[in-house]
Amino acid sequence: ETGVTQTPRHLVMGMTNKKSLKCEQHLGHNAMYWYKQSAKKPLELMFVYSLEERVENNSVPSRFSPECPNSSHLFLHLHTLQPEDSALYLCASSQDKMAGYYNEQFFGPGTRLTVL
Amino acid sequence: AQSVAQPEDQVNVAEGNPLTVKCTYSVSGNPYLFWYVQYPNRGLQFLLKYITGDNLVKGSYGFEAEFNKSQTSFHLKKPSALVSDSALYFCAVSFGWAEGYSTLTFGKGTMLLVSP
Repeated sequence: ETGVTQTPRHLVMGMTNKKSLKCEQHLGHNAMYWYKQSAKKPLELMFVYSLEERVENNSVPSRFSPECPNSSHLFLHLHTLQPEDSALYLCASSQDKMAGYYNEQFFGPGTRLTVL
Repeated sequence: AQSVAQPEDQVNVAEGNPLTVKCTYSVSGNPYLFWYVQYPNRGLQFLLKYITGDNLVKGSYGFEAEFNKSQTSFHLKKPSALVSDSALYFCAVSFGWAEGYSTLTFGKGTMLLVSP
């Protein structure tokens, strides 16, 4: 595996379910990110981790819970979601937490989440 | 606050013709600007970036972008479009220096459709 991988690629869940999204980067990067992509809206930054430490929680509802056990793995735990949470969830990584300064972000293919 | 605007939801161009995808930005200080492309069922892929120096930046797949400080624009261009260029294009600007980390804020994206 190379780059940034995400599993599952598609997920359908009910409002009372608990599920988790997984992201793994094989690039030796130290920073990882979760984004939400909804149709015709800008990407929304959700969480930023640097060396397993959360450095940004962009006012995300508590029904989304991130976990970064090491610099290669990032999880997004989901519980009691709402239908409006249906979206494409993208994971990204960068060399360090100064993405946008001298290094770019590398994105995974995303998980398409549908909340019924 | 940093922001980018992509005024067109969709751009249509015939194969072989030049293409332009527009982006304007609003930042305090010097801008760091990026273009990403998203193909169907794929994550975002980095195309090019402007940090400093020459206003014309060359990137992947024959794309280039022109930085215009007076017009606060960073339009993406290609001299001759290919059908395979059809995708969703995102302009982005970096932010967050003061917090000791930086990441990107994205525009809402422009769909490019190249007809045979």
